[in-house]
Amino acid sequence: DAKTTQPNSMESNEEEPVHLPCNHSTISGTDYIHWYRQLPSQGPEYVIHGLTSNVNNRMASLAIAEDRKSSTLILHRATLRDAAVYYCIRWTSGAGSYQLTFGKGTKLSVIP
Amino acid sequence: DADVTQTPRNRITKTGKRIMLECSQTKGHDRMYWYRQDPGLGLRLIYYSFDVKDINKGEISDGYSVSRQAQAKFSLSLESAIPNQTALYFCATSGGARGDTQYFGPGTRLTVL
Repeated sequence: DAKTTQPNSMESNEEEPVHLPCNHSTISGTDYIHWYRQLPSQGPEYVIHGLTSNVNNRMASLAIAEDRKSSTLILHRATLRDAAVYYCIRWTSGAGSYQLTFGKGTKLSVIP
Repeated sequence: DADVTQTPRNRITKTGKRIMLECSQTKGHDRMYWYRQDPGLGLRLIYYSFDVKDINKGEISDGYSVSRQAQAKFSLSLESAIPNQTALYFCATSGGARGDTQYFGPGTRLTVL
């Protein structure tokens, strides 16, 4: 149970912004939202994470809804190298466990 | 050099054979993880370790065992490989802070005939 819901696939034109949505309606107050991406034939790569506030880093921005039931990963200018599967993950702790639970993710295609 | 390395990168073996996949990290992290990925699916957690003396089962530990030989080394073993263990295996590490980031190795592609 990945506990998040994402579209199976999305397309974007190169050099345009991309908004990747994620629903996590059952999130608890202390769960973080993580985003990872997996390029073809590679291991997953960390993109960004947040708890309540919007977050920015060199790779992307993360917008978290006020009720925390959804979030959006924003790639400001998509490049061909951004074509990957993007995973939205609830980082859940409890009883000593700190696990990332991966779903199927969103496959992003970037059109030249 | 890569922070997280896995050996071998590819392995073909036969049903019933014992296989060991090795993972080493130079990030100085206490936490290490083994995941499995099947085609078209996300990653599933097999085992994780928070330090050398701490080993925990993940979502799909049956048929697998692990050994944490040192802070930097975490091995995954298939005692008697079977064809449905054919998959891509990833090792990861993290520093342990709340909300912390996991760093993944390049993966081992295992085929069991």
